[in-house]
Amino acid sequence: DAKTTQPPSMDCAEGRAANLPCNHSTISGNEYVYWYRQIHSQGPQYIIHGLKNNETNEMASLIITEDRKSSTLILPHATLRDTAVYYCIVRSIQRGGGTSYGKLTFGQGTILTVHP
Amino acid sequence: DAGVIQSPRHEVTEMGQEVTLRCKPISGHNSLFWYRQTMMRGLELLIYFNNNVPIDDSGMPEDRFSAKMPNASFSTLKIQPSEPRDSAVYFCASRRAGANVLTFGAGSRLTVL
Repeated sequence: DAKTTQPPSMDCAEGRAANLPCNHSTISGNEYVYWYRQIHSQGPQYIIHGLKNNETNEMASLIITEDRKSSTLILPHATLRDTAVYYCIVRSIQRGGGTSYGKLTFGQGTILTVHP
Repeated sequence: DAGVIQSPRHEVTEMGQEVTLRCKPISGHNSLFWYRQTMMRGLELLIYFNNNVPIDDSGMPEDRFSAKMPNASFSTLKIQPSEPRDSAVYFCASRRAGANVLTFGAGSRLTVL
């Protein structure tokens, strides 16, 4: 499984953009990068995913470098409610039971604190 | 859409007792995952079901743990006998066929005394 490296913590001022980096230098050509977040006492929540092109949705943007060895999650206007642990995950393909499936292996993530 | 529903939300039990955690996936989702979260080990995948069949149980820690999915709308994770080191938050997640997104439940916090 491709390993990801994230800073353990980051701070961001409310209203500013939060840029969360992630290194995944051993990623394979067909492996997707996923971002989830976990707000305190809740289950993880999907944010965005991508393969090699930049992606944007209503929550965030995902910028993947051309060599795909790193990516950045951008929350364009962070709010206090964005305070959470953010997980960068490389989805690996596992084989079992005669089938294959995408497996999400969570690391330690980045604790993002948005302050007033 | 009520989301993934887990019960109980909190369980406190004594060592040696049987614990059963329950999960109702989102209707129409055919994949179900059980995860465990602790401070020391983070989020770990325990078992994955596809169309009610266990596909990957390599994350199940030991024989004390068992999981079943008798139908598409219900799954259980059982620990018998429970031990203090089983204390954790257990999450269930489901996914629609062909989709890339896992939807997690709110979790069941288990404390074994």
